[in-house]
Amino acid sequence: EVQLVESGGGLVKPGGSLRLSCAVSGFTFSNAWMSWVRQAPGKGLEWVGRIRGKTDGGTTDYAAPVKGRFTISRDDSKNTMYVQMNSLKTEDTAVYYCTTDHYGSGTLDYWGQGTLVTVSS
Amino acid sequence: EIVLTQSPGTLSLSPGERATLSCRASQSVSSSYLAWYQQKPGQAPRLLIYAASSRATGIPDRFSGSGSGTDFTLTISRLEPEDFAVYYCQQYGSSLTFGGGTKVEIK
Repeated sequence: EVQLVESGGGLVKPGGSLRLSCAVSGFTFSNAWMSWVRQAPGKGLEWVGRIRGKTDGGTTDYAAPVKGRFTISRDDSKNTMYVQMNSLKTEDTAVYYCTTDHYGSGTLDYWGQGTLVTVSS
Repeated sequence: EIVLTQSPGTLSLSPGERATLSCRASQSVSSSYLAWYQQKPGQAPRLLIYAASSRATGIPDRFSGSGSGTDFTLTISRLEPEDFAVYYCQQYGSSLTFGGGTKVEIK
């Protein structure tokens, strides 16, 4: 059974930093493309960025609002993906979901339960 | 960036009725890269349809997707009580974007 479990959310002040983790099981993680998607309270879904699998170079892409502030990485030995979020803004407040990205097609086939990040003074 | 516009914003229907949800793209989208998701309150989204018309694993056949180019449709043939939710379309072109969602509510 595929499982994705996010952790690391919480309250942080504007300008601060936070690192989220996504621990996965039930599939071969090292070759999997993975994405982060966020949802502000009461709003729709917004893609944050993705990381390619090992055999595709492990490179990353980011949405414009987070480029230069967020960094997605992975530790294949721990079956875990991360997103390091720096220079946080109030508009980054959202539930952050990690997802699988089916062979890089952009089809987000499995989702975690999400972790809430609140950026507030 | 490709913008997806979903309509209507809210659809008020009764169980057993047919639901037709629209997703229009600001420029042509490859059918291979158009998906639909369902989200219920307090839950993560769930993949329903990928490649515009293929049902994901375990999705009932009352859900169907169609369309090409800039116009795509999600149809629920007969609404069941568990189908009342918010539905999002999503595309992957040069970047990945979602539509604003359509809420299907009980009339």
